[in-house]
Amino acid sequence: AQKITQTQPGMFVQEKEAVTLDCTYDTSDPSYGLFWYKQPSSGEMIFLIYQGSYDQQNATEGRYSLNFQKARKSANLVISASQLGDSAMYFCAMREGAAGNNRKLIWGLGTSLAVNP
Amino acid sequence: NAGVTQTPKFQVLKTGQSMTLQCAQDMNHEYMSWYRQDPGMGLRLIHYSVGAGITDQGEVPNGYNVSRSTTEDFPLRLLSAAPSQTSVYFCASSYQGRYNSPLHFGNGTRLTVT
Repeated sequence: AQKITQTQPGMFVQEKEAVTLDCTYDTSDPSYGLFWYKQPSSGEMIFLIYQGSYDQQNATEGRYSLNFQKARKSANLVISASQLGDSAMYFCAMREGAAGNNRKLIWGLGTSLAVNP
Repeated sequence: NAGVTQTPKFQVLKTGQSMTLQCAQDMNHEYMSWYRQDPGMGLRLIHYSVGAGITDQGEVPNGYNVSRSTTEDFPLRLLSAAPSQTSVYFCASSYQGRYNSPLHFGNGTRLTVT
């Protein structure tokens, strides 16, 4: 079963507007972390933001924030005031906390975001 | 601070040739891993290591070999290249034992096997 689901293969947003990229996850482990990465066309993987399952507040990093809804098992990335440089592929990933899983990251298939001028 | 250094950036191989992708990190990370990225398939884990002398298989280990003799280095060997191994390869590292530790990625190697 897919543990990380990103339902939007492609998204468009107008420059300066906000956009939400969806991520739902599936785990029975009470301890887990959720990560978002950006992959621009140049190919590198850039870590954006992290949310822990026990964190009381939604994570924020500059223009990036996480809309973390634990009961719904969703961790949507919100990018505020989109810029042309935000055009990229975005990946959601999860690491479960149980020691037996060797801390492997489980990846979604990504969402391609295009920011229009 | 170099982070994760991966070489080469591009490589073309003929079927049956062997080669080694190099990966080094200077962050004293215990965990190191190799991924391949193919269109529509996301990132797939090839091999990983939780410390020097310890390696294990990921989802797609066939045709690849790894070793971890030091904390810093984690080379990936293609034993006999096949066209199906045409892909973009990423090395990534993180702290082990902390589930909130993000993976730090190298810049990737684009490999073409003809």
